[in-house]
Amino acid sequence: DIQMTQSPATLAASIGDRVTITCRASQSVTGWLAWFQQRPGKAPHLLIYKTSFLERGVPSRFSGSGSGTEFTLTIASLQPDDFATYYCQQYQSFPYTFGEGTKLEIK
Amino acid sequence: QVQLHESGPGLVEPSETLSLTCTVSGGSIRTYHLTWIRQSPGKGLEWIGEVKDSGSTNYSPSLNGRVTISIDTPDIQFSLQLTSVTAADTAVYFCARTSVAGELDLWGQGALVTVSS
Repeated sequence: DIQMTQSPATLAASIGDRVTITCRASQSVTGWLAWFQQRPGKAPHLLIYKTSFLERGVPSRFSGSGSGTEFTLTIASLQPDDFATYYCQQYQSFPYTFGEGTKLEIK
Repeated sequence: QVQLHESGPGLVEPSETLSLTCTVSGGSIRTYHLTWIRQSPGKGLEWIGEVKDSGSTNYSPSLNGRVTISIDTPDIQFSLQLTSVTAADTAVYFCARTSVAGELDLWGQGALVTVSS
């Protein structure tokens, strides 16, 4: 299985901050990497697919980049709605696997 | 718009079989695949497996052959069965519409299943 490691596990930030979350894969996933946002008690929803493609309806302050084994999710200017948990997921090979999550908290 | 909804018993006894249904409403998911994912209380996401529109499947080896995902009614109802459950299978179970490329682009709200006697 491809192991996905996210850092940091928890991130405290303020409204308006620029934040970056990192996801590392134990082997290359080419570009088959997605990012999800999950609010408490809700289902995850897709933010970014294929490393850098923004899902329809997702604000442009979200962006993704990377290749091979290292990827990042950046939020350009944090808004109140953005405080949630973020997961990366590889879909290069079965079984598809998720990172452990990064909880974004208000500082 | 298209919605997915998970349903089934919220309580299953140890060693029994967990059975859930994912029902699609508001439109078609024809040409998409259907994936099941679970989340143990307070934990991260675990990919369980998928069924393609052709009926072929892929499963997580970590479930040791206990899982079956099938199409009950094409484009409308999909099922998940997990046999010989233990407390470790207690989780919120999600179904998700899946693009051919593998993107989980639309999720159900999730169904909590507790394994307990």
